[in-house]
Amino acid sequence: QSVLTQSPSVSAAPGQRVTISCSGSRSNIGRFPVSWYQQLPGTAPKVLTYDDDKRPSGIPDRFSASKSGTSATLAITGLQTGDEADYFCGTWDDSLSALLFGGGTKLTVL
Amino acid sequence: QPELRESGPKVVKSSETLALTCSVSGGAFNSYSWTWIRQSAAKGLEWIGRVYSDGNTHYTASLAGRVTMSVDTSRRQFSLNVTSVTAADTALYFCVGRNILTGRDYWGQGTLVTVSS
Repeated sequence: QSVLTQSPSVSAAPGQRVTISCSGSRSNIGRFPVSWYQQLPGTAPKVLTYDDDKRPSGIPDRFSASKSGTSATLAITGLQTGDEADYFCGTWDDSLSALLFGGGTKLTVL
Repeated sequence: QPELRESGPKVVKSSETLALTCSVSGGAFNSYSWTWIRQSAAKGLEWIGRVYSDGNTHYTASLAGRVTMSVDTSRRQFSLNVTSVTAADTALYFCVGRNILTGRDYWGQGTLVTVSS
């Protein structure tokens, strides 16, 4: 069981909006910046957002992230079939002195 | 921005040492911390540790004692050694560069390492 908790799966129809949550604690999300990653089958994780809410160049503004207290959220609007992937959150943990990742959320676009 | 590529044996015998190298092109090498992360079905994404350009290292507690990381700034490479491997070390290994100022990651494509008996 991951220290950062994500729902195992989420689904929505094309064009709709979906949110993926990542729940942690004061020693990780509550203190350190969060990154979100998208992993398509057979590929390396791709950075969608970093430093809580910043998007790298080339990432569409359909992807946005936020953080409040000890939870972080990734929102995806205008869902496309190509968005089907696993999504992970990641941040540092002071108690464990390690970089942690959530267990991942599998997004299905119906 | 840096591009990273892992290299090393894809099969390692049980009890032997896993050795991987990550070659970095582009970017200011000293502006990054250099990290190894592995992914398996059993454990998901697992941070192994990081090495800075000055050679300072920080390893995850669960692997400390078996893990060594090093950096060669002149060759723009950093390396991972894991000793006494078992089947539990079978995973997809990624090298990752994290910009020290921004916290943004750059990932290699990953290399699958299988521990054979």
